[in-house]
Amino acid sequence: DAKTTQPTSMDCAEGRAANLPCNHSTISGNEYVYWYRQIHSQGPQYIIHGLKNNETNEMASLIITEDRKSSTLILPHATLRDTAVYYCITGYGGSQGNLIFGKGTKLSVKP
Amino acid sequence: DAGVIQSPRHEVTEMGQEVTLRCKPISGHDYLFWYRQTMMRGLELLIYFNNNVPIDDSGMPEDRFSAKMPNASFSTLKIQPSEPRDSAVYFCASSPTWGAHEKLFFGSGTQLSVL
Repeated sequence: DAKTTQPTSMDCAEGRAANLPCNHSTISGNEYVYWYRQIHSQGPQYIIHGLKNNETNEMASLIITEDRKSSTLILPHATLRDTAVYYCITGYGGSQGNLIFGKGTKLSVKP
Repeated sequence: DAGVIQSPRHEVTEMGQEVTLRCKPISGHDYLFWYRQTMMRGLELLIYFNNNVPIDDSGMPEDRFSAKMPNASFSTLKIQPSEPRDSAVYFCASSPTWGAHEKLFFGSGTQLSVL
């Protein structure tokens, strides 16, 4: 079973920030938080990952709470093309083979 | 790079037939993964390879499923005989060398329908 909890679905207005929460209260000290997304009819796509510090790349920002029990993925200016299922996953470094994809959050970006 | 390439994109077959799915990983990637996705069970890892050697096949549902990686640029997932419950989207993914900062790169998947 997935070790994370995410809302089933969320809506966001185009051009606004999308904030996707994830709870991972049982995360271990050496486990990373990974985010992937899956656009309809495509394979999952890596977005970002982090351990303790907040991270930012060209796609998104990742905010991890100080106790590491939860995190938020931020898409600063959501577009219609960001409509997808977003997966929050925890795993140890080098655990590509053990990443468990849960149900994720279905994000719908609306005009 | 063209990314991970899977073929066919769609496959429709009848129960009992043999099905072969193909995958070409990204050049230089040492790891290759096969996943299956259904509405009921989500995305499941079936098997993964490192340098063409199968490392973990515990996710392979049963003996009807087999996977091979004869060289660094090609892998197959075979189902023989196929059953309607095998209908799903099968994804292949590849990854560079092991490490915390490595990502999975997925192909576009093969939509399998077993009638």
